[in-house]
Amino acid sequence: QQQVKQSPQSLIVQKGGISIINCAYENTAFDYFPWYQQFPGKGPALLIAIRPDVSEKKEGRFTISFNKSAKQFSLHIMDSQPGDSATYFCAALETTSGTYKYIFGTGTRLKVLA
Amino acid sequence: DAGVIQSPRHEVTEMGQEVTLRCKPISGHDYLFWYRQTMMRGLELLIYFNNNVPIDDSGMPEDRFSAKMPNASFSTLKIQPSEPRDSAVYFCASSSTGRAFFGQGTRLTVV
Repeated sequence: QQQVKQSPQSLIVQKGGISIINCAYENTAFDYFPWYQQFPGKGPALLIAIRPDVSEKKEGRFTISFNKSAKQFSLHIMDSQPGDSATYFCAALETTSGTYKYIFGTGTRLKVLA
Repeated sequence: DAGVIQSPRHEVTEMGQEVTLRCKPISGHDYLFWYRQTMMRGLELLIYFNNNVPIDDSGMPEDRFSAKMPNASFSTLKIQPSEPRDSAVYFCASSSTGRAFFGQGTRLTVV
C-alpha cells in the first residue's frame, strides 16, 4: 500500500515531442505528489508538485495531471528538449499525519533525441 | 543558501572499515532524510529525523548502519563494518513544508 508504481522505465522522445510519465498509488492518505529530476552525478531536484485538490498544475513546459479517483498522476513535458534528458522520479507524501515519509517511484530514464 | 551539503562526495574504503557520511541540512528545515540509491533498488529511505529526533529507521538495512543528528545543522550516517554490498550513492535531503531538497550525494565504493 505504500508503493508508488512508475512507468515506463525508460522513454525515448524526439526533440519537440511530448514526454509522458505515469505513476499510480494505493494509499489514499497521500496528499502531496512531487516530481523530481535527476541528472547523472547530481541529487534529485524538485521539478513540480501537486496536491490532490487540483487536477492539473502547469509550470512552463511541465504539467502534472492528477486523477484522484483513479489514484494516478502523470508528468507531461511539452516541447521536449535534449536538455530534458534525465531520470525522473515521482513521489508521494502523507503530510497530515506528520510522518513526512516520501515514497519514491522507481524512476524513468528519459532521452530526448536532437 | 548553499543548499544541502554532503561530504565527502566520493569515498572508497576497504571492506570491514568504518565509514562516516556527513550532511548539513538547509537552515530552518526541521526534517532530514537519508536515502540510498542503487540501480537495482532505486531510492530507498533509510531513516528520517524531525527536529533532530529519529522518527522512522525501518529502512536501515542492518545494525551495521547507524545515524545521528546531534543538532539542527548536522547529521551523520555511519556504516561499521562496511561491506561491498553497501556500495551505492547516499543522499541526504532536508525539508520543512513537504518540499524536500537533496544534496549532491556521496558515492561510496567498498572494495
